[in-house]
Amino acid sequence: AQSVTQLDSQVPVFEEAPVELRCNYSSSVSVYLFWYVQYPNQGLQLLLKYLSGSTLVKGINGFEAEFNKSQTSFHLRKPSVHISDTAEYFCAVSVVEKLTFGTGTRLTIIP
Amino acid sequence: DTGVSQNPRHKITKRGQNVTFRCDPISEHNRLYWYRQTLGQGPEFLTYFQNEAQLEKSRLLSDRFSAERPKGSFSTLEIQRTEQGDSAMYLCASDTGAGCYTFGSGTRLTVV
Repeated sequence: AQSVTQLDSQVPVFEEAPVELRCNYSSSVSVYLFWYVQYPNQGLQLLLKYLSGSTLVKGINGFEAEFNKSQTSFHLRKPSVHISDTAEYFCAVSVVEKLTFGTGTRLTIIP
Repeated sequence: DTGVSQNPRHKITKRGQNVTFRCDPISEHNRLYWYRQTLGQGPEFLTYFQNEAQLEKSRLLSDRFSAERPKGSFSTLEIQRTEQGDSAMYLCASDTGAGCYTFGSGTRLTVV
């Protein structure tokens, strides 16, 4: 079975500063990797995904993530955050069908 | 709007009552998933369908829970004899099988 660990439950960042949200996974087989964002009382919106190919994946809203197979990581980065990035961020893995999620990281942007 | 639609958005029910939620997936997506998300946690897999066939059920899905997807289109999730522990956000997602999961806005259930 696969699992996902998001090491930081909360990350406060000043506006226009860079941010990195960490994600590590465990799986005995190859996986697909995803980052989702969730705004209050809403569903999940896909930020980006890694299925195969280039290990650097670019997503929406200026986010990117890098798949590192040797470190089993898929950290999410943004060079300059905005107030509108305040939300909960979930890392997820998929082996065959269903997604397995981490517990989430709450990103808070400080003006 | 061609996204995943869930109804109702909010449901408050008394303990012991039955509730039913509906999910309308993206029309060309043959896979449909149900997840449950409690406060401060990530979504947890409940069950999924390929067309009308229910292919997997999580151990989280007790006998009080039942899901259907007649004709491989919309799906319903019913909870019988609700308990306070059932209070959560219930999320539906659909997928073509190529990793393109799209989530609905969810149904928030509060059992009082």
